[in-house]
Amino acid sequence: EVQLLESGGGLVQPGGSLRLSCAASGFTFSSYAMSWVRQAPGKGLEWVSAISGSGGSTYYADSGKGRFTISRDKSKNTLYLQMNSLRAEDTAVYYCTKAQSQLLLPFDYWGQGTLVTVSS
Amino acid sequence: QSVLTQPPSVSAAPGQKVTISCSGSSSNIGNNYVSWYQQLPGTAPKVLIYDNNKRPSGIPDRFSGSKSGTSATLGITGLQTGDEADYYCGTWDSSLSAVVFGGGTKLTVL
Repeated sequence: EVQLLESGGGLVQPGGSLRLSCAASGFTFSSYAMSWVRQAPGKGLEWVSAISGSGGSTYYADSGKGRFTISRDKSKNTLYLQMNSLRAEDTAVYYCTKAQSQLLLPFDYWGQGTLVTVSS
Repeated sequence: QSVLTQPPSVSAAPGQKVTISCSGSSSNIGNNYVSWYQQLPGTAPKVLIYDNNKRPSGIPDRFSGSKSGTSATLGITGLQTGDEADYYCGTWDSSLSAVVFGGGTKLTVL
C-alpha cells in the first residue's frame, strides 16, 4: 500500500525557514517523479515543485524559485522541500504527491498534508 | 488568476448529470494530457481521470473525461450527495515549464 507521510510544518516568522519531509513507502521510490502541491486556506491547489525519480531534474513554480529547494533521498525513501525567506502568502497546507510514472503528471497518490503558517 | 479556467460552481439534483469545463491554451491543454482531481471536504485530493479520459481502478464509470482542442470536460452522471466536492483540472504547461491547475469547481448536489 502506497503511503506518503508529510512532516515538518508549523508556525514560522516571515523571513524564516522550514524544511518539509515526506516519508514514502509501498513503492519503488526512485522509479517515480514526486511533487509538492500546496493549498492556501480556502483557496485552490497550487503546484510548488517537482523532482524526477533520479533526482537529476527539478522544477519550480515562479512563486518558489530562488527560495525553495526540492530534493529526495533514495536511501531514506524521503522527499524534502527546503523553504527559505518565507512570506505570509506561503501559508498553506503542503501536500506531497507521487506521480504515476517518471512523468510529472498525473498525481496518483497524495499525502494528508502538513500545515505551514507564516506569521509574526 | 489560474492558468486554466473552471466555473467556480455547478449544481444539479441527485441522479442527474453535470459537466465541469476546463479551458486553457495550446501551451497546456492543447498539447498535454489533462487529469482531474476530486477533493472531498477536509480531505486530500485524489485523481479521478488521467490522460484526458482514463479512470484509475476503483473510480466508477459515472465519472468521465474528454478533451477537445484547448478545453477539457469532466462529466459525472447519476449524481450522489457523496459527490459534493471541489474538482480541479491539471496539466503541464510547456511554456511555463510548470504544472498548472484550474481554480477549482465546487459541486453541489441539491
